Amino acid sequence: ETGVTQTPRHLVMGMTNKKSLKCEQHLGHNAMYWYKQSAKKPLELMFVYSLEERVENNSVPSRFSPECPNSSHLFLHLHTLQPEDSALYLCASSQDRAQGAVGYTFGSGTRLTVV
Amino acid sequence: AQSVTQLDSHVSVSEGTPVLLRCNYSSSYSPSLFWYVQHPNKGLQLLLKYTSAATLVKGINGFEAEFKKSETSFHLTKPSAHMSDAAEYFCVVRAYGGSQGNLIFGKGTKLSVKP
Repeated sequence: ETGVTQTPRHLVMGMTNKKSLKCEQHLGHNAMYWYKQSAKKPLELMFVYSLEERVENNSVPSRFSPECPNSSHLFLHLHTLQPEDSALYLCASSQDRAQGAVGYTFGSGTRLTVV
Repeated sequence: AQSVTQLDSHVSVSEGTPVLLRCNYSSSYSPSLFWYVQHPNKGLQLLLKYTSAATLVKGINGFEAEFKKSETSFHLTKPSAHMSDAAEYFCVVRAYGGSQGNLIFGKGTKLSVKP
């Protein structure tokens, strides 16, 4: 394990469902990120949190709603998703946002399938 | 703006032969560059990083990469491939400016290793 834990590992949901993805890190990092990984596309940065404050939202549809209640936990709340939202959702953390040069620590991801 | 281009979407080598995964970067600043590896159904693991120190960077599992400013390249190499090296590899550059600290990923190169 990398120190960043994501649950669940797999999720199948209908388009009318509401579900949440969870990410947890106990590395003492202050910045956390959500990425979307779709087939044949580069990783897409969705959201950036620094010290529990959202600092970046890369034009993500409102059916994705992030939440960062403390520096160790990050959630991605999902509702009324579309089939094209099926992807691997990766959570990452870093010491702080400005320290991106030292790299991120990634979780293993949640494989989401929208049916 | 910063970007990376991975020149091959798929590379196939035989076990015991050298590996070369090519990456070119574009950056207005002195870049921070990374290689990450992703094994099937896993998250991303940092292989190595360049942050303006030595131009030849050694990483884990026998991989190394050389930063060549004149060629704007950061190719990943390994002298002898193992079956366990079969995975997808991502070249990554750190963003500056408004997206300070964010990581920008290439599209990935899938490495296959034949027995």
